[in-house]
Amino acid sequence: DVKVTQSSRYLVKRTGEKVFLECVQDMDHENMFWYRQDPGLGLRLIYFSYDVKMKEKGDIPEGYSVSREKKERFSLILESASTNQTSMYLCASSLGVGWEQFFGPGTRLTVL
Amino acid sequence: TQLLEQSPQFLSIQEGENLTVYCNSSSVFSSLQWYRQEPGEGPVLLVTVVTGGEVKKLKRLTFQFGDARKDSSLHITAAQPGDTGLYLCAGEGGSYIPTFGRGTSLIVHP
Repeated sequence: DVKVTQSSRYLVKRTGEKVFLECVQDMDHENMFWYRQDPGLGLRLIYFSYDVKMKEKGDIPEGYSVSREKKERFSLILESASTNQTSMYLCASSLGVGWEQFFGPGTRLTVL
Repeated sequence: TQLLEQSPQFLSIQEGENLTVYCNSSSVFSSLQWYRQEPGEGPVLLVTVVTGGEVKKLKRLTFQFGDARKDSSLHITAAQPGDTGLYLCAGEGGSYIPTFGRGTSLIVHP
Protein backbone atom coordinates (compact mmCIF):
# COMPACT_ATOMS: atom_id res chain seq x y z
CA ASP A 1 0.00 0.00 0.00
CA VAL A 2 1.57 3.26 -1.14
CA LYS A 3 2.18 5.81 1.51
CA VAL A 4 3.22 9.35 2.25
CA THR A 5 3.86 9.99 5.91
CA GLN A 6 4.35 13.25 7.75
CA SER A 7 6.22 13.50 11.01
CA SER A 8 3.45 15.10 13.07
CA ARG A 9 -0.32 15.47 12.77
CA TYR A 10 -0.42 18.42 15.17
CA LEU A 11 2.32 20.85 16.16
CA VAL A 12 2.32 23.92 18.40
CA LYS A 13 5.29 26.28 18.25
CA ARG A 14 6.17 29.73 19.50
CA THR A 15 6.93 32.77 17.36
CA GLY A 16 10.59 32.83 16.34
CA GLU A 17 11.17 29.10 16.72
CA LYS A 18 12.75 27.07 13.94
CA VAL A 19 10.32 24.41 12.78
CA PHE A 20 11.01 21.24 10.80
CA LEU A 21 8.26 19.34 9.00
CA GLU A 22 9.31 15.98 7.63
CA CYS A 23 7.75 14.01 4.80
CA VAL A 24 8.64 10.50 3.66
CA GLN A 25 7.28 8.56 0.67
CA ASP A 26 7.81 4.89 -0.04
CA MET A 27 6.92 4.89 -3.75
CA ASP A 28 10.29 5.87 -5.26
CA HIS A 29 8.66 9.00 -6.70
CA GLU A 30 10.75 11.67 -8.40
CA ASN A 31 8.58 14.66 -7.51
CA MET A 32 7.71 15.89 -4.05
CA PHE A 33 5.68 18.92 -3.03
CA TRP A 34 4.88 21.03 0.01
CA TYR A 35 1.55 22.88 0.16
CA ARG A 36 -0.23 24.91 2.75
CA GLN A 37 -4.00 24.82 2.95
CA ASP A 38 -6.06 27.64 4.42
CA PRO A 39 -9.86 28.02 4.43
CA GLY A 40 -11.07 29.74 1.28
CA LEU A 41 -7.60 29.78 -0.29
CA GLY A 42 -7.26 26.16 -1.35
CA LEU A 43 -3.88 24.50 -1.73
CA ARG A 44 -0.98 26.83 -2.33
CA LEU A 45 2.36 25.45 -3.42
CA ILE A 46 5.31 26.43 -1.24
CA TYR A 47 8.16 24.44 -2.80
CA PHE A 48 8.59 21.37 -4.93
CA SER A 49 11.46 19.09 -5.86
CA TYR A 50 11.84 17.02 -9.01
CA ASP A 51 15.03 15.25 -7.97
CA VAL A 52 17.36 14.78 -5.05
CA LYS A 53 19.01 18.05 -4.05
CA MET A 54 16.86 19.92 -6.59
CA LYS A 55 14.22 22.39 -5.47
CA GLU A 56 12.04 25.00 -7.07
CA LYS A 57 10.00 27.79 -5.50
CA GLY A 58 6.26 27.57 -5.70
CA ASP A 59 3.76 30.38 -5.32
CA ILE A 60 4.47 31.30 -1.68
CA PRO A 61 8.07 30.42 -0.72
CA GLU A 62 8.72 33.42 1.51
CA GLY A 63 9.58 32.41 5.07
CA TYR A 64 10.19 28.77 4.12
CA SER A 65 13.07 26.63 2.92
CA VAL A 66 13.30 22.96 1.96
CA SER A 67 15.78 20.13 1.91
CA ARG A 68 15.87 16.96 -0.14
CA GLU A 69 18.99 14.95 0.65
CA LYS A 70 17.42 11.58 -0.13
CA LYS A 71 14.83 10.67 -2.75
CA GLU A 72 12.25 9.52 -0.24
CA ARG A 73 12.48 12.47 2.15
CA PHE A 74 11.46 16.10 1.68
CA SER A 75 11.69 18.50 4.59
CA LEU A 76 10.04 21.88 5.02
CA ILE A 77 11.76 24.36 7.30
CA LEU A 78 10.32 27.47 8.87
CA GLU A 79 13.44 29.44 9.80
CA SER A 80 11.65 31.73 12.25
CA ALA A 81 8.01 30.81 12.72
CA SER A 82 5.43 33.57 12.66
CA THR A 83 1.75 33.56 13.55
CA ASN A 84 0.74 33.96 9.89
CA GLN A 85 2.32 30.57 9.22
CA THR A 86 -0.38 28.88 11.28
CA SER A 87 -1.91 26.52 8.75
CA MET A 88 -2.41 22.96 7.53
CA TYR A 89 0.71 21.73 5.73
CA LEU A 90 0.37 18.96 3.17
CA CYS A 91 3.16 16.98 1.56
CA ALA A 92 2.64 15.13 -1.71
CA SER A 93 4.62 13.03 -4.14
CA SER A 94 4.13 11.98 -7.76
CA LEU A 95 5.86 9.74 -10.25
CA GLY A 96 6.19 12.49 -12.81
CA VAL A 97 4.61 15.49 -14.49
CA GLY A 98 0.83 15.11 -14.82
CA TRP A 99 0.74 11.98 -12.71
CA GLU A 100 -1.44 11.45 -9.66
CA GLN A 101 -0.26 13.16 -6.50
CA PHE A 102 -0.29 11.12 -3.33
CA PHE A 103 -0.80 13.22 -0.24
CA GLY A 104 0.17 12.73 3.36
CA PRO A 105 -2.41 13.25 6.14
CA GLY A 106 -1.20 16.78 6.82
CA THR A 107 0.36 18.61 9.76
CA ARG A 108 -1.74 21.21 11.49
CA LEU A 109 0.75 23.79 12.73
CA THR A 110 -0.20 26.46 15.23
CA VAL A 111 2.27 29.28 15.91
CA LEU A 112 1.57 31.19 19.12
CA THR B 1 0.39 30.98 -12.91
CA GLN B 2 -2.61 29.28 -14.47
CA LEU B 3 -5.81 29.76 -12.48
CA LEU B 4 -8.63 27.33 -11.87
CA GLU B 5 -11.96 28.67 -10.64
CA GLN B 6 -14.25 26.26 -8.84
CA SER B 7 -17.94 26.79 -8.23
CA PRO B 8 -19.86 26.70 -6.09
CA GLN B 9 -17.62 27.22 -3.09
CA PHE B 10 -20.11 25.55 -0.73
CA LEU B 11 -22.95 23.08 -1.20
CA SER B 12 -25.29 21.78 1.46
CA ILE B 13 -27.83 19.27 0.19
CA GLN B 14 -30.09 16.43 1.31
CA GLU B 15 -29.34 12.79 0.71
CA GLY B 16 -30.64 11.68 -2.67
CA GLU B 17 -30.21 15.00 -4.45
CA ASN B 18 -28.06 15.48 -7.54
CA LEU B 19 -25.33 18.09 -7.81
CA THR B 20 -22.74 19.44 -10.21
CA VAL B 21 -19.42 21.09 -9.39
CA TYR B 22 -17.57 23.17 -11.97
CA CYS B 23 -13.91 23.85 -12.60
CA ASN B 24 -13.09 26.58 -15.13
CA SER B 25 -10.01 28.25 -16.53
CA SER B 26 -8.94 30.53 -19.36
CA SER B 27 -5.91 28.28 -19.87
CA VAL B 28 -5.62 24.97 -21.64
CA PHE B 29 -4.59 21.99 -19.54
CA SER B 30 -3.03 18.79 -20.81
CA SER B 31 -4.76 16.89 -18.05
CA LEU B 32 -7.10 17.60 -15.18
CA GLN B 33 -7.58 15.71 -11.95
CA TRP B 34 -10.34 15.63 -9.36
CA TYR B 35 -9.54 14.91 -5.72
CA ARG B 36 -11.71 14.45 -2.63
CA GLN B 37 -10.46 15.45 0.78
CA GLU B 38 -12.13 14.28 3.97
CA PRO B 39 -11.72 16.24 7.21
CA GLY B 40 -8.32 15.69 8.81
CA GLU B 41 -6.90 13.86 5.80
CA GLY B 42 -5.00 14.65 2.65
CA PRO B 43 -6.72 14.76 -0.76
CA VAL B 44 -7.20 11.47 -2.59
CA LEU B 45 -7.39 11.21 -6.37
CA LEU B 46 -10.79 10.35 -7.86
CA VAL B 47 -10.05 10.59 -11.57
CA THR B 48 -7.75 12.02 -14.24
CA VAL B 49 -9.12 13.25 -17.57
CA VAL B 50 -6.79 13.92 -20.48
CA THR B 51 -8.81 14.10 -23.72
CA GLY B 52 -11.07 17.01 -24.69
CA GLY B 53 -14.70 15.91 -24.44
CA GLU B 54 -13.81 12.90 -22.33
CA VAL B 55 -16.42 11.55 -19.92
CA LYS B 56 -15.52 9.18 -17.11
CA LYS B 57 -17.86 7.49 -14.66
CA LEU B 58 -17.02 6.26 -11.20
CA LYS B 59 -20.19 4.69 -9.76
CA ARG B 60 -22.46 7.69 -9.04
CA LEU B 61 -19.83 10.24 -10.06
CA THR B 62 -19.53 11.49 -13.65
CA PHE B 63 -16.57 13.59 -14.73
CA GLN B 64 -16.38 15.55 -17.95
CA PHE B 65 -13.46 17.39 -19.56
CA GLY B 66 -14.43 20.25 -21.85
CA ASP B 67 -13.76 20.01 -25.58
CA ALA B 68 -11.22 22.83 -25.37
CA ARG B 69 -9.59 21.32 -22.25
CA LYS B 70 -10.19 24.52 -20.27
CA ASP B 71 -12.99 23.33 -18.03
CA SER B 72 -14.36 20.28 -16.27
CA SER B 73 -17.38 19.23 -14.27
CA LEU B 74 -18.15 16.67 -11.63
CA HIS B 75 -21.74 15.42 -11.35
CA ILE B 76 -22.91 13.32 -8.42
CA THR B 77 -26.16 11.41 -8.72
CA ALA B 78 -28.21 10.59 -5.63
CA ALA B 79 -25.69 12.03 -3.17
CA GLN B 80 -25.03 10.14 0.05
CA PRO B 81 -23.61 11.34 3.39
CA GLY B 82 -20.40 9.49 2.54
CA ASP B 83 -19.88 11.93 -0.35
CA THR B 84 -19.32 14.74 2.15
CA GLY B 85 -15.93 16.36 1.72
CA LEU B 86 -13.88 18.96 -0.11
CA TYR B 87 -13.69 18.42 -3.87
CA LEU B 88 -10.62 19.84 -5.57
CA CYS B 89 -9.74 20.07 -9.23
CA ALA B 90 -6.12 20.30 -10.33
CA GLY B 91 -4.81 21.07 -13.79
CA GLU B 92 -1.49 20.23 -15.34
CA GLY B 93 -0.31 22.54 -18.10
CA GLY B 94 3.05 21.08 -19.02
CA SER B 95 5.23 22.23 -16.14
CA TYR B 96 6.12 20.41 -12.96
CA ILE B 97 3.67 22.59 -11.09
CA PRO B 98 0.03 21.49 -10.87
CA THR B 99 -2.57 24.20 -10.32
CA PHE B 100 -5.32 23.58 -7.78
CA GLY B 101 -8.72 25.20 -7.57
CA ARG B 102 -9.88 26.48 -4.18
CA GLY B 103 -12.28 23.61 -3.76
CA THR B 104 -15.98 22.96 -3.30
CA SER B 105 -17.04 21.99 0.20
CA LEU B 106 -19.94 19.52 0.03
CA ILE B 107 -22.15 18.49 2.93
CA VAL B 108 -24.78 15.83 2.36
CA HIS B 109 -27.36 15.62 5.14
CA PRO B 110 -29.02 12.28 5.90
